[in-house]
Amino acid sequence: NAGVTQTPKFRVLKTGQSMTLLCAQDMNHEYMYWYRQDPGMGLRLIHYSVGEGTTAKGEVPDGYNVSRLKKQNFLLGLESAAPSQTSVYFCASSYDRLAKNIQYFGAGTRLSVL
Amino acid sequence: SQQGEEDPQALSIQEGENATMNCSYKTSINNLQWYRQNSGRGLVHLILIRSNEREKHSGRLRVTLDTSKKSSSLLITASRAADTASYFCATDRGSTLGRLYFGRGTQLTVWP
Repeated sequence: NAGVTQTPKFRVLKTGQSMTLLCAQDMNHEYMYWYRQDPGMGLRLIHYSVGEGTTAKGEVPDGYNVSRLKKQNFLLGLESAAPSQTSVYFCASSYDRLAKNIQYFGAGTRLSVL
Repeated sequence: SQQGEEDPQALSIQEGENATMNCSYKTSINNLQWYRQNSGRGLVHLILIRSNEREKHSGRLRVTLDTSKKSSSLLITASRAADTASYFCATDRGSTLGRLYFGRGTQLTVWP
């Protein structure tokens, strides 16, 4: 029962470097989400996907790209990292859009951009 | 933008006491959910209450919803040190796309 798995757990980048965060879920969920969490800000939605091959922008999409080539995987990319992207990133998935949108979260990726 | 606003931002109590956290929101909803986050971990779903429900229980948790005031409360009875965590409310803003809008959370500390 792995649920939602995020890799890596920690990463330090230099400004301008790129990286990809991987989210994998084994619950056959249709919907997947990427959030960032900053102190005192709660969770803010970056991008989300309502199915394989589809993605959409959330509240704070600038500087990030995503891909959902397989139903079980949702990738978050930073093409040119900036210090403002230092944050904790969470992936989540859910399966039922009709009034039961309970989300299941991964353990998070802590990213520092120097 | 944030949908829910939890109150208080921080709450400190002794074991055995009850903890009450509040959440206010601004738009119509299909349901409201509460999540818990232990330090350094991901969020975990606690309870969901639909817009046509007024109260719901799950173990030591009691959630109320007042759609006329656009507010909800989470009561944890007989708190334990293990309840120490941040608690977030989340609403769907009436969306059917599965999106949730989270508040900034209440940090609960339960002292032994």
